[in-house]
Amino acid sequence: SQQGEEDPQALSIQEGENATMNCSYKTSINNLQWYRQNSGRGLVHLILIRSNEREKHSGRLRVTLDTSKKSSSLLITASRAADTASYFCATDAAGNKLTFGGGTRVLVKP
Amino acid sequence: KAGVTQTPRYLIKTRGQQVTLSCSPISGHRSVSWYQQTPGQGLQFLFEYFSETQRNKGNFPGRFSGRQFSNSRSEMNVSTLELGDSALYLCASSPDRSGIEKLFFGSGTQLSVL
Repeated sequence: SQQGEEDPQALSIQEGENATMNCSYKTSINNLQWYRQNSGRGLVHLILIRSNEREKHSGRLRVTLDTSKKSSSLLITASRAADTASYFCATDAAGNKLTFGGGTRVLVKP
Repeated sequence: KAGVTQTPRYLIKTRGQQVTLSCSPISGHRSVSWYQQTPGQGLQFLFEYFSETQRNKGNFPGRFSGRQFSNSRSEMNVSTLELGDSALYLCASSPDRSGIEKLFFGSGTQLSVL
């Protein structure tokens, strides 16, 4: 089974709205990462948050991490049509390999 | 810097054949990882190489193998192809010695097994 599980599986919003997706994981981690994938292409690294950090920002992205609840959230503010993609969380809980969740498909309607 | 390059982009094979996929990492990156992506199983880790050594391996049968060359380029091979091997195969390189931080992915090889 996947280490990280994203919620919701799919999200549809209007351009300009905020998009929030969550990731839950099962075991202790050193860091958690978020990636974006556009329609079957390669993944693009968005942000990495370490286990001793609670919040991190990068442009319109805000990531939070709650290690007590084993969960993370990714917020995309003021969404654009170009943000339409699948978003994956990934953790290093399984040792020296990255384990990805099932992803959240985000559709931003113009 | 050029990104991660995977060849070929598309591949069609029949059951029982074998296939070799190629990956050229970003210059200076010594870690290369391979992932299989399918609609049903999502992204599954295959293996990771660092300086020509396989450091980690996922839960795949022995039909899946790989190697890394001295210039960090990597290949993966799948022998005796099965229908279930149809997938997008993604290669990623990392600037980090651990090989698991800030992965840079190629566009993938879409393999179809008929």
